[in-house]
Amino acid sequence: NAGVMQNPRHLVRRRGQEARLRCSPMKGHSHVYWYRQLPEEGLKFMVYLQKENIIDESGMPKERFSAEFPKEGPSILRIQQVVRGDSAAYFCASSPYREETQYFGPGTRLLVL
Amino acid sequence: DQQVKQNSPSLSVQEGRISILNCDYTNSMFDYFLWYKKYPAEGPTFLISISSIKDKNEDGRFTVFLNKSAKHLSLHIVPSQPGDSAVYFCAASARSNFGNEKLTFGTGTRLTIIP
Repeated sequence: NAGVMQNPRHLVRRRGQEARLRCSPMKGHSHVYWYRQLPEEGLKFMVYLQKENIIDESGMPKERFSAEFPKEGPSILRIQQVVRGDSAAYFCASSPYREETQYFGPGTRLLVL
Repeated sequence: DQQVKQNSPSLSVQEGRISILNCDYTNSMFDYFLWYKKYPAEGPTFLISISSIKDKNEDGRFTVFLNKSAKHLSLHIVPSQPGDSAVYFCAASARSNFGNEKLTFGTGTRLTIIP
């Protein structure tokens, strides 16, 4: 049973470009969570999605960031017009039900030049 | 506002001895607590969890203790092994509230096991 998959593992973008981060949850998991880790800090919650629904986006910056989890395919975290401060490790986690343990993917390390 | 605090950024322990990692929280709505282990350039790996209805949970070499009145939890690793060297994150959630399953993480403690 494959774990949570994230791609790409590393992403380099120039300021003003768009970044798309993908997350495929574990098989049988329909709940996806995105977290961001800035250098030397802990993980910070961004957004919680179920299939086709955003349940909690209280951690998402108001502008430039969006997330989706369509009926088919992976969850996507999209960052438009990236800035240097967006450089971080972005982790996706999944769980089978809402009260179950979250299991994390390996992360995508975004570097904005 | 740091709702989950790990006040020790680093800890060194001799191989074979007990490692004790501590975590404090301020939000009384938290009712579920977890410990994750993280190696560099990897995602966090789930270790052990505890619900607020319990005060202890054990899984092999790992035991988590919860003191609700003090809003404090700790992770004990016995005996400590070189492979335990990693950053350990404490996390909490208020999962009894629908839509509030997000995890709030501490800043981590870097554990180094000395052979």
